[in-house]
Amino acid sequence: KQEVTQIPAALSVPEGENLVLNCSFTDSAIYNLQWFRQDPGKGLTSLLLIQSSQREQTSGRLNASLDKSSGRSTLYIAASQPGDSATYLCAVSSSNTGKLIFGQGTTLQVKP
Amino acid sequence: EAQVTQNPRYLITVTGKKLTVTCSQNMNHEYMSWYRQDPGLGLRQIYYSMNVEVTDKGDVPEGYKVSRKEKRNFPLILESPSPNQTSLYFCASSSTTGMSNQPQHFGDGTRLSIL
Repeated sequence: KQEVTQIPAALSVPEGENLVLNCSFTDSAIYNLQWFRQDPGKGLTSLLLIQSSQREQTSGRLNASLDKSSGRSTLYIAASQPGDSATYLCAVSSSNTGKLIFGQGTTLQVKP
Repeated sequence: EAQVTQNPRYLITVTGKKLTVTCSQNMNHEYMSWYRQDPGLGLRQIYYSMNVEVTDKGDVPEGYKVSRKEKRNFPLILESPSPNQTSLYFCASSSTTGMSNQPQHFGDGTRLSIL
């Protein structure tokens, strides 16, 4: 059974720092891994999707990597800003039903 | 603008009173699904639909029904809501073409409180 874990559960950093959020999964047989952002009272915004055959994806200040063999993904945020404060969720798709298995999320606070 | 729209956004109701949460997407996606999000349990899939008239159970389908009569709509029905269905609900959609490289798009969520 696929399980997804995110560490740390919460993170507070000063503005301008580079930071890394971690995601691990137990079954390496995945179709893709997706990183989402969730703001309070809002839905999930898709940030990056990495297919199982890819090693990384980049969008602006965000870079996500995938190491399928070790069951790990990282989300790197460069030059963090207060507007980056949110909960970040990773989710893996490992069945042809399209079901996403989510981690519990990392709540990020970027202090001005 | 591409979006997944849920209604209502908030609802407080009482045990046993049937309710429907609507979900509509404007991206012509074949795949739609419902999740619930609970503290400590994260997001869990309730039901999903691969296309019109094709629906199937997710991990926590008890107490819920869905229908997919049109491609754009995927309502979630609680026939007899109970307090343990108090939760934050999300609808999602994606294209099934090359599904491994298609992101799933989520709505803004519906917060249900069943008293």
